Amino acid sequence: QSALTQPASVSGSPGQSITISCTGTSIGTFNLVSWYQQHPAKAPKLMIFDVSERPSGVSNRFSGSKSGNTASLTISGLQAEDEADYYCSSYAGSRVPLFGGGTKLTVL
Amino acid sequence: EVQLEQAGTEVKKAGESLRISCKGSGYTFTSYWIAWMRQMPGKGLEWMGRIHPSDSYTVFSPSFEGHATFSVDKSINTVYLQWSSLKASDTAMYFCARWEAAATFEYWGQGTLVTVSS
Repeated sequence: QSALTQPASVSGSPGQSITISCTGTSIGTFNLVSWYQQHPAKAPKLMIFDVSERPSGVSNRFSGSKSGNTASLTISGLQAEDEADYYCSSYAGSRVPLFGGGTKLTVL
Repeated sequence: EVQLEQAGTEVKKAGESLRISCKGSGYTFTSYWIAWMRQMPGKGLEWMGRIHPSDSYTVFSPSFEGHATFSVDKSINTVYLQWSSLKASDTAMYFCARWEAAATFEYWGQGTLVTVSS
């Protein structure tokens, strides 16, 4: 069982915004949360790091935030290509990262 | 361009040994840790541990220590994940990734699917 809790699934219609949450005590301790997008049979892709930073090339429709022990990934202007699994990851001390259980995003 | 190259598929029987590889290119290979992640069928990502190519220093997740090992061949910019005696429960996709810091893995290999039959 993961020490980071994510909802199993979220859904939204094209053009809408959705938010995926990720809760864990390590999130409240460190400002070091990343989010990954994974399409079926593909490698994960880094979408957000250090809570709210976007790597070069990632759309600004993706944003991250944190409040207390909960981090959030928001996707605005939802597109069909955003349908994927999303994983949060948090630094847990001793240079060990944790992963959440993953959230399946369905674009209706 | 930073790339991590992994072979596609391995099919083994329980009790057999296996070594899978991850070859880095496009950057100074000995400057970054390489991490290994496991993804069992239909499940989420699990951090197994990481190895530093410069000196083979290894950090393992307690969940994986003792069953698998990591190694490096600096001469060919390659790190390895190996098992001496596979179990059916090792059936999974294994990804290598370059560890930037904290919880950040920016570059990933395409994964190696390991299937172990009992």
